[in-house]
Amino acid sequence: KNQVEQSPQSLIILEGKNCTLQCNYTVSPFSNLRWYKQDTGRGPVSLTIMTFSENTKSNGRYTATLDADTKQSSLHITASQLSDSASYICVVSERGSQGNLIFGKGTKLSVKP
Amino acid sequence: GAGVSQSPSNKVTEKGKDVELRCDPISGHTALYWYRQSLGQGLEFLIYFQGNSAPDKSGLPSDRFSAERTGGSVSTLTIQRTQQEDSAVYLCASSVGLAEYNEQFFGPGTRLTVL
Repeated sequence: KNQVEQSPQSLIILEGKNCTLQCNYTVSPFSNLRWYKQDTGRGPVSLTIMTFSENTKSNGRYTATLDADTKQSSLHITASQLSDSASYICVVSERGSQGNLIFGKGTKLSVKP
Repeated sequence: GAGVSQSPSNKVTEKGKDVELRCDPISGHTALYWYRQSLGQGLEFLIYFQGNSAPDKSGLPSDRFSAERTGGSVSTLTIQRTQQEDSAVYLCASSVGLAEYNEQFFGPGTRLTVL
């Protein structure tokens, strides 16, 4: 069964610190992997998208990595800000699915002053 | 519009009533998706449209759920005879083409509460 598992479930860090969120997936055949940020009460917003051949992609203070061999991805947030408080969702697309993306349950990040 | 819009933003209904949720995608986006997000759960795929047709309805949880899209733009998701387990946030997303290859843009969602 195609699944996306994220850890930790929740995380609290102090403003200015770095953190890394993890994503493991069993989706096959693999097409691409995305990280989304979802603020409370809002829809998810795309941060990065990586295909099989890409192993790192950055978007400002966000850097995503992908190891397609071990089916693992991470999202690293540098110099966290209060506005980074949100849920971060890992999403994997199955090749040929046409659009049925498989979503993880997300990691809820709280950045404290 | 600038982004995907959904209405209403909140809907409270009584068990057994029908509800209709609306999604206005980004102009020119041919693909439109509906998802359900229950408390503490990941997004659950419901249905997607390519133009006006819905090639994949496999995610609809029961025959009480239906969706249509007219004119390749606005879509409505209808839930008949609502049940308490239907309570969730219903999210709509659109993309220029199929979401497997293209970025999806999400609306703010409709929070449905069935009493």
